[in-house]
Amino acid sequence: DQQVKQNSPSLSVQEGRISILNCDYTNSMFDYFLWYKKYPAEGPTFLISISSIKDKNEDGRFTVFLNKSAKHLSLHIVPSQPGDSAVYFCAARGIGTASKLTFGTGTRLQVTL
Amino acid sequence: GAVVSQHPSRVICKSGTSVKIECRSLDFQATTMFWYRQFPKQSLMLMATSNEGSKATYEQGVEKDKFLINHASLTLSTLTVTSAHPEDSSFYICSARLMGQGPHGYTFGSGTRLTVV
Repeated sequence: DQQVKQNSPSLSVQEGRISILNCDYTNSMFDYFLWYKKYPAEGPTFLISISSIKDKNEDGRFTVFLNKSAKHLSLHIVPSQPGDSAVYFCAARGIGTASKLTFGTGTRLQVTL
Repeated sequence: GAVVSQHPSRVICKSGTSVKIECRSLDFQATTMFWYRQFPKQSLMLMATSNEGSKATYEQGVEKDKFLINHASLTLSTLTVTSAHPEDSSFYICSARLMGQGPHGYTFGSGTRLTVV
């Protein structure tokens, strides 16, 4: 049972435009949500996180929005750059689960010139 | 920043043999290490959580006798895939929990691509 889902396996965006990556979850017992960027044959690198009590967090070009009623979060990247091309994973940290992270299935972002 | 060094990055082994994957924390102590497996185009699936000096906690469906995890020191955790079979071919990644670093305090190794032939 996939508790964290990313329904779009891929996304193509033109350089300079906004990239919006989506993530849905089914379990309310998460206290933080995180976004990671991953290149092939490498480990994920942390991008941005949001507490479950917040609805927005911004860091430079990256903004994460959380809609708790819809159990949905999204990562906005603006403006998108070719170097943003990678696979993006959302992850959720369980409450009282020894800090375990549950990952989504990933979305491959391609930023074109 | 905190770095986890994972080796080997790529390994090919014969069916029935065992393979050991190492993750070392550089310049910090990793009290807790997580081991993940990722199949192509799929999510990172947590296999087990290890704490230094104690037995690992395995996720449901993960065979503890097949995937041996040792976390004997604060700077080294190992995953041994015993009697490997082609279906064990996957990308394995370790992650260390960084205490006092907040909710994003996880650092990942660079992963190991295991191919069992």
